[in-house]
Amino acid sequence: RKEVEQDPGPFNVPEGATVAFNCTYSNSASQSFFWYRQDCRKEPKLLMSVYSSGNEDGRFTAQLNRASQYISLLIRDSKLSDSATYLCVVTRGNTGFQKLVFGTGTRLLVSP
Amino acid sequence: DAGVIQSPRHEVTEMGQEVTLRCKPISGHDYLFWYRQTMMRGLELLIYFNNNVPIDDSGMPEDRFSAKMPNASFSTLKIQPSEPRDSAVYFCASSFSGRQTPQRQYFGPGTRLTVT
Repeated sequence: RKEVEQDPGPFNVPEGATVAFNCTYSNSASQSFFWYRQDCRKEPKLLMSVYSSGNEDGRFTAQLNRASQYISLLIRDSKLSDSATYLCVVTRGNTGFQKLVFGTGTRLLVSP
Repeated sequence: DAGVIQSPRHEVTEMGQEVTLRCKPISGHDYLFWYRQTMMRGLELLIYFNNNVPIDDSGMPEDRFSAKMPNASFSTLKIQPSEPRDSAVYFCASSFSGRQTPQRQYFGPGTRLTVT
């Protein structure tokens, strides 16, 4: 079983739609959680951190459920420029530096 | 403000040849990471350095892979001999262990390696 599981998609949505991605992780000791965005043939870039209380950044909302080991990302009012692969990321490690563990990503295609 | 720099951006080589990938981290960053990305396995951490010292190389697939960081501004990942299954995109990333965002990693543009 992969440490971080994501639906690969693709999710095809029209502009203006609301779309949600989910991610589950297996290591209950993971302490930090992130969403990264990766455009086609580009490098991953941090989109946002995910906090237990849930957090919002403009049209993006991230939520974490530690009991179920589940992370979500909600995108409202989708734009064409949101088309990308979204990588769910958790940390692994007990003390000191924690390594990032990436899911294989969920692909989003926003159409006009 | 220069980000992480990687070279070459594309590399095509024949099986059995030596391949060297290069990385220049962001100035002032004290962590450097090498990742490999494939469709099947996603993004995998190969090795990381802290203050030029290799800390964890448990992700290096086998002895054909080696990495060095001779100084704070340069690292190499070498594959010798290369095999077709090494074909992937190799990313270098760096981060700074400051208090605010210790886990934020900045990725380079990657090297797309094809081994025929």
